[in-house]
Amino acid sequence: DGGITQSPKYLFRKEGQNVTLSCEQNLNHDAMYWYRQDPGQGLRLIYYSQIVNDFQKGDIAEGYSVSREKKESFPLTVTSAQKNPTAFYLCASSMGQGSTDTQYFGPGTRLTVL
Amino acid sequence: GENVEQHPSTLSVQEGDSAVIKCTYSDSASNYFPWYKQELGKRPQLIIDIRSNVGEKKDQRIAVTLNKTAKHFSLHITETQPEDSAVYFCAASTSGGSNYKLTFGKGTLLTVNP
Repeated sequence: DGGITQSPKYLFRKEGQNVTLSCEQNLNHDAMYWYRQDPGQGLRLIYYSQIVNDFQKGDIAEGYSVSREKKESFPLTVTSAQKNPTAFYLCASSMGQGSTDTQYFGPGTRLTVL
Repeated sequence: GENVEQHPSTLSVQEGDSAVIKCTYSDSASNYFPWYKQELGKRPQLIIDIRSNVGEKKDQRIAVTLNKTAKHFSLHITETQPEDSAVYFCAASTSGGSNYKLTFGKGTLLTVNP
């Protein structure tokens, strides 16, 4: 999991602004994921991508958007439509070989809306 | 969709005692069950996983058991140490056609008292 990086570590946003979180991996993994973590809520899936130029909505996709133009990168944009964006955001990747894939996590970005 | 329930939400044990965390899942098609450990402010780290063709798996002081009929699986930590203190998450894999994702439980905060 040392091959997955997220930036920035901390991010502050004013209400009404869009903000983009970066996720990069050099593990040659096909699949990438974005999760949101809130206290007592576990990890909830926002979006995931099994292959370049394709992605699917997770359980809480509203107010978020993603792109997957390169295998190594899966940026997440938190839009102004997300009503409660303050949270810890985790990116993960896996080989993309099926349902028994192991996911490895990045160090996370803590987003705070001011 | 898949639903994963995890109990207890908090668990406090004395050093040297055993700790057991239990999870149930709803989708009988789930076939992969990882456990992650997350220390405060850090990324989740995979500690052990089990696939549905296996009933039990051990790795030193950690073991996981799976009962497919009852749709539940458990994490067992023996001879607990203070460094085992963390939040533990269970997860179950689900598929939507050719897409695969993990559904996580809400986590168990384990505290090991010296």
